[in-house]
Amino acid sequence: KNQVEQSPQSLIILEGKNCTLQCNYTVSPFSNLRWYKQDTGRGPVSLTIMTFSENTKSNGRYTATLDADTKQSSLHITASQLSDSASYICVVSGDMRFGAGTRLTVKP
Amino acid sequence: EAGVTQFPSHSVIEKGQTVTLRCDPISGHDNLYWYRRVMGKEIKFLLHFVKESKQDESGMPNNRFLAERTGGTYSTLKVQPAELEDSGVYFCASSYYSGAGETQYFGPGTRLLVL
Repeated sequence: KNQVEQSPQSLIILEGKNCTLQCNYTVSPFSNLRWYKQDTGRGPVSLTIMTFSENTKSNGRYTATLDADTKQSSLHITASQLSDSASYICVVSGDMRFGAGTRLTVKP
Repeated sequence: EAGVTQFPSHSVIEKGQTVTLRCDPISGHDNLYWYRRVMGKEIKFLLHFVKESKQDESGMPNNRFLAERTGGTYSTLKVQPAELEDSGVYFCASSYYSGAGETQYFGPGTRLLVL
């Protein structure tokens, strides 16, 4: 069982709608949690990095939250655009454990 | 500023052959990482260089994999001999420093298919 579990596995939304992706982890010790966006055929691109003491971090229309007590994080995307279609990957350190990702498709 | 580059973009080889992947990090980045995504699985850490030294190679699967970073610039990852299960996408990433808040910049990956 992966120490970083993401849900849903895939998601389809209409352009302009909001969505929230989830990441639950059991990685210990905890250093930081990152969210990456990976377009098809490209490498992951960093969206946010949060350390233990941070519970929210924004990057434009992306807002990540972290609850270190429950070991849960979410990535909220506001006013989605077609270009948001990608895989979103949660990575937890300690020792760089990757989730399997959520595949988001934004349709017009 | 050029990003992380990887070569080749794709490689198809037969079982038992040797393949060498190359990664050129962003200039000035002392930290270089190799990762791998096997089909249907999550990305996994392979190893971490600081300059030319291996800081952490705990993710290397076995001794068929050899990573080098002579001179602390570009890095190579050699697979010899390749096996079917080595197929996947190999990513390289670099960062200026290593720490809780460091941003790693990923290359586009090398897609390796072992037949």
